[in-house]
Amino acid sequence: GEEVAQTPKHLVRGEGQKAKLYCAPIKGHSYVFWYQQVLKNEFKFLISFQNENVFDETGMPKERFSAKCLPNSPCSLEIQATKLEDSAVYFCASSRARVKSSGNTIYFGEGSWLTVV
Amino acid sequence: AQSVSQHNHHVILSEAASLELGCNYSYGGTVNLFWYVQYPGQHLQLLLKYFSGDPLVKGIKGFEAEFIKSKFSFNLRKPSVQWSDTAEYFCAVVNQAGTALIFGKGTTLSVSS
Repeated sequence: GEEVAQTPKHLVRGEGQKAKLYCAPIKGHSYVFWYQQVLKNEFKFLISFQNENVFDETGMPKERFSAKCLPNSPCSLEIQATKLEDSAVYFCASSRARVKSSGNTIYFGEGSWLTVV
Repeated sequence: AQSVSQHNHHVILSEAASLELGCNYSYGGTVNLFWYVQYPGQHLQLLLKYFSGDPLVKGIKGFEAEFIKSKFSFNLRKPSVQWSDTAEYFCAVVNQAGTALIFGKGTTLSVSS
């Protein structure tokens, strides 16, 4: 069935270590989104891609966070020098078309739980 | 920037009670609105969405929502809740640039049997 696949499900990092999360969008989906959910609160938008191009990165912290979507590879979200406040569930989502397309649905993955200790 | 407000942080109901969860958005132009549900330990699932047309939108699992433009609202309703509706509910709007969804803080619904 259709599924956005995120790995790893859980990741524990010491402060200052690097964390890298992966997302395989549903086949045929051109748009990928990353969200951060801290303590089961609101979903904070980080970045979106249209294929391998950054579509909107207004939510990305300027420092330490980076993301890529390369052809024939899972998309990735990388956090350099993690801090305690980065502890959160990171959700990836994908869609076939732009979010404003009426027939379009955005599908979410199960999330990657990052714990920084 | 657009924002979404969900008034109720935690709602507790008994089975068969009626449900209404509030959602207000800030953007005054053409809006595309969504309600998502997150069951414990699971990912977000789409309940329903509004793009245009009939302001009363019917979704899955007996949920519906009404878009009231004059009130900037998109409240979620269900006539009779079940224990299995216990979950987090998130209202979302497409941002002005059309590049992402902006979510509210969510409402926790607890249904007792």
